[in-house]
Amino acid sequence: DAKTTQPTSMDCAEGRAANLPCNHSTISGNEYVYWYRQIHSQGPQYIIHGLKNNETNEMASLIITEDRKSSTLILPHATLRDTAVYYCIVRVGVGNDYKLSFGAGTTVTVRA
Amino acid sequence: NAGVTQTPKFRVLKTGQSMTLLCAQDMNHEYMYWYRQDPGMGLRLIHYSVGEGTTAKGEVPDGYNVSRLKKQNFLLGLESAAPSQTSVYFCASRLPGANVLTFGAGSRLTVL
Repeated sequence: DAKTTQPTSMDCAEGRAANLPCNHSTISGNEYVYWYRQIHSQGPQYIIHGLKNNETNEMASLIITEDRKSSTLILPHATLRDTAVYYCIVRVGVGNDYKLSFGAGTTVTVRA
Repeated sequence: NAGVTQTPKFRVLKTGQSMTLLCAQDMNHEYMYWYRQDPGMGLRLIHYSVGEGTTAKGEVPDGYNVSRLKKQNFLLGLESAAPSQTSVYFCASRLPGANVLTFGAGSRLTVL
């Protein structure tokens, strides 16, 4: 199973872009990278996922390196409500039968 | 459309007592999951189900049992609670092929 490595914590300023790195050097060719976040003690919330191309949605952008060994989640204009724990996850399993394993994540604090 | 509902939200047990956590979803999802989250840590998969009448073990299944008698409900049981099972329990569900897990708000269990 591919494992991920994330910084324990990071701060960013409100209104600025937040760049969250993730290493997944043992990822296999057909394994997706997912990002979820958990605000306070709520249930995790899906943000974005990708395989090898960069992806963007209304919440964030995902940049995956060409060798797929690392990725960066970008929150373009961080707000105080983006303060949360962010999880980088490599999806294990193929087709419909996959599972997500959540590591410790990165605690992101957005400061005014 | 309530999404994923977990009951109870809080519970205190004594060592050796039994209890059942209920997860109910109204989205007609096939796949359902139970996770536990200990303080400062990520989520660990306990058991999961790929459809009515089926269950499978996750990373940390010992001390727990599950049942999926109805598609919309996934029950997590503790037959003889131990202090090590003090945790926040999250239920999640998804459709086959879907990339998004929908999580419940969590159930906080304390075993004394």
